Amino acid sequence: SQQGEEDPQALSIQEGENATMNCSYKTSINNLQWYRQNSGRGLVHLILIRSNEREKHSGRLRVTLDTSKKSSSLLITASRAADTASYFCATDAGNNDMRFGAGTRLTVKP
Amino acid sequence: DGGITQSPKYLFRKEGQNVTLSCEQNLNHDAMYWYRQDPGQGLRLIYYSQIVNDFQKGDIAEGYSVSREKKESFPLTVTSAQKNPTAFYLCASSPWRRPNTGELFFGEGSRLTVL
Repeated sequence: SQQGEEDPQALSIQEGENATMNCSYKTSINNLQWYRQNSGRGLVHLILIRSNEREKHSGRLRVTLDTSKKSSSLLITASRAADTASYFCATDAGNNDMRFGAGTRLTVKP
Repeated sequence: DGGITQSPKYLFRKEGQNVTLSCEQNLNHDAMYWYRQDPGQGLRLIYYSQIVNDFQKGDIAEGYSVSREKKESFPLTVTSAQKNPTAFYLCASSPWRRPNTGELFFGEGSRLTVL
């Protein structure tokens, strides 16, 4: 069964705008990860945040984690058309059983 | 270059036939995984393996079988017992073994269509 649930399901923005995606989950986790998937391709790991971390940055990506609310957000700043993809959060409870949400489909219009 | 190779990329199968999807990695990773992805849904775990000659069922193992005879290879067989096999199948590997966990490295996927 899925653990993470992304919100919104779909997001359409203009190039240059920021995109924010949210993920909620139900059980305790060791870490939460965000992945990107271009249409018809495999997933690519973007960033991992551990349960004792609150915020992490990687280039134009900013991830936050609130374990008290069991939620995470992914912010992509200054978006580009090439950022168009589906974004998935995955929760890891520490038993090698990674749980993926249904994803957010991001469209960045040039 | 190191990575995970899945083949074939597209596969068509008649009902009642078994098919085997290949997954090979040259990353020297211990753990390997098979996920199924349906439209509008997240990935669901079929099987995973942490060492050679050992594998564990995931959430939707019924109708599937795997083997792990070599560290580099983790083939998935979709049997005729799988009632709705049309889907996108993703193989992944990880250098992490229990209790440590971390990122997964994915192949490009295999799309199976049952005619």
